[in-house]
Amino acid sequence: AQKVTQAQTEISVVEKEDVTLDCVYETRDTTYYLFWYKQPPSGELVFLIRRNSFDEQNEISGRYSWNFQKSTSSFNFTITASQVVDSAVYFCALSGDSGAGSYQLTFGKGTKLSVIP
Amino acid sequence: DGGITQSPKYLFRKEGQNVTLSCEQNLNHDAMYWYRQDPGQGLRLIYYSQIVNDFQKGDIAEGYSVSREKKESFPLTVTSAQKNPTAFYLCASSFSPRGVNTEAFFGQGTRLTVV
Repeated sequence: AQKVTQAQTEISVVEKEDVTLDCVYETRDTTYYLFWYKQPPSGELVFLIRRNSFDEQNEISGRYSWNFQKSTSSFNFTITASQVVDSAVYFCALSGDSGAGSYQLTFGKGTKLSVIP
Repeated sequence: DGGITQSPKYLFRKEGQNVTLSCEQNLNHDAMYWYRQDPGQGLRLIYYSQIVNDFQKGDIAEGYSVSREKKESFPLTVTSAQKNPTAFYLCASSFSPRGVNTEAFFGQGTRLTVV
């Protein structure tokens, strides 16, 4: 069984502060994929990043960066110099082979980030 | 524009009635999914389909039914058997050839309220 844990339910930061959203996962699959999605108040989930289990390189995209560590089963997300537009619910998700080559996304419960001006 | 369209955005249903949520995609994706979102619960998988005319139950399929007669369409019916249907429903699709998993793209959701 797959499981994703986002221990932080809500986080509030002041604009321009850095913030890290934690994600810990559990899976028995040797090949799996990790994702982060952003859900603004409009409701639609926006894809941010995908990482496969064989690629432990950290990634940076503008103010966003991701730290993938298989040794601790974590895939943390850092926003540098946060902005009000970053306010949203962020979901970490895991996808592994559920059998016959089909994949299912298992989501964490999300972390609500509020950036205060 | 390519994307996923869910309709309606808001839906009200009387207890005991079935209701169907629409999901259409023009991304030529093989896989489609339905998720339910409740406050503080994250997203839970209801049904998914990897190819036309085939679909599998997710974690919370009871009280729901789906069909996949066309690649572009994956409607979800919330039946009267679903005991607590009030929720936000999200449809997604992905290009998922066997052995590879790509990111899923989501629609804007349908908020269903039972009155």
